[in-house]
Amino acid sequence: AQSVTQLDSQVPVFEEAPVELRCNYSSSVSVYLFWYVQYPNQGLQLLLKYLSGSTLVKGINGFEAEFNKSQTSFHLRKPSVHISDTAEYFCAAVMDSNYQLIWGAGTKLIIKP
Amino acid sequence: DSGVTQTPKHLITATGQRVTLRCSPRSGDLSVYWYQQSLDQGLQFLIHYYNGEERAKGNILERFSAQQFPDLHSELNLSSLELGDSALYFCASSDSQQADQPYEQYFGPGTRLTVT
Repeated sequence: AQSVTQLDSQVPVFEEAPVELRCNYSSSVSVYLFWYVQYPNQGLQLLLKYLSGSTLVKGINGFEAEFNKSQTSFHLRKPSVHISDTAEYFCAAVMDSNYQLIWGAGTKLIIKP
Repeated sequence: DSGVTQTPKHLITATGQRVTLRCSPRSGDLSVYWYQQSLDQGLQFLIHYYNGEERAKGNILERFSAQQFPDLHSELNLSSLELGDSALYFCASSDSQQADQPYEQYFGPGTRLTVT
């Protein structure tokens, strides 16, 4: 079965430090990848997406992600985090012609002052 | 503001009862998705409607049902409620006809259901 795996349920990091949130998907001929963010007590909003083209994708709030087909990964990075980045981050993928999003379990980003 | 609206924002009800959650998608979006988010199970896809027709089912219980009306708004009906149904219920919409944004989903603020 197709799946999206977020390897870390929580990632604690100091303010102004870099962060990487990991996401792997099950292998597929074609894949479309997304990162969503959920701030406390809010709905989810799109952070960035990869549909085709350049494998390095830039999103909102200084986040970027790199599509790596050989490693079936789409890790999210930010060079310097702020307290306002405290949120839960979800990776999602579309991997078949049903065009259904398959969601990862989410990673809570905890910023330490 | 995503443009997706959900009502009510909060709902408190007793076990065994039935409730209806409402979602209005973004203007022009034909797809509506329902999700359940709870502390123990995370974000779970429930069901997808496209232009009034059911397109896909996820982990939706038989006690739950949904429909999408001709004006494209959707309702999620939860019946014989149990304590474990307490969760945040999100609706999302997308316009899968847009060539450059085929799969992006726009989420509403959610309905927080508490079953006592």
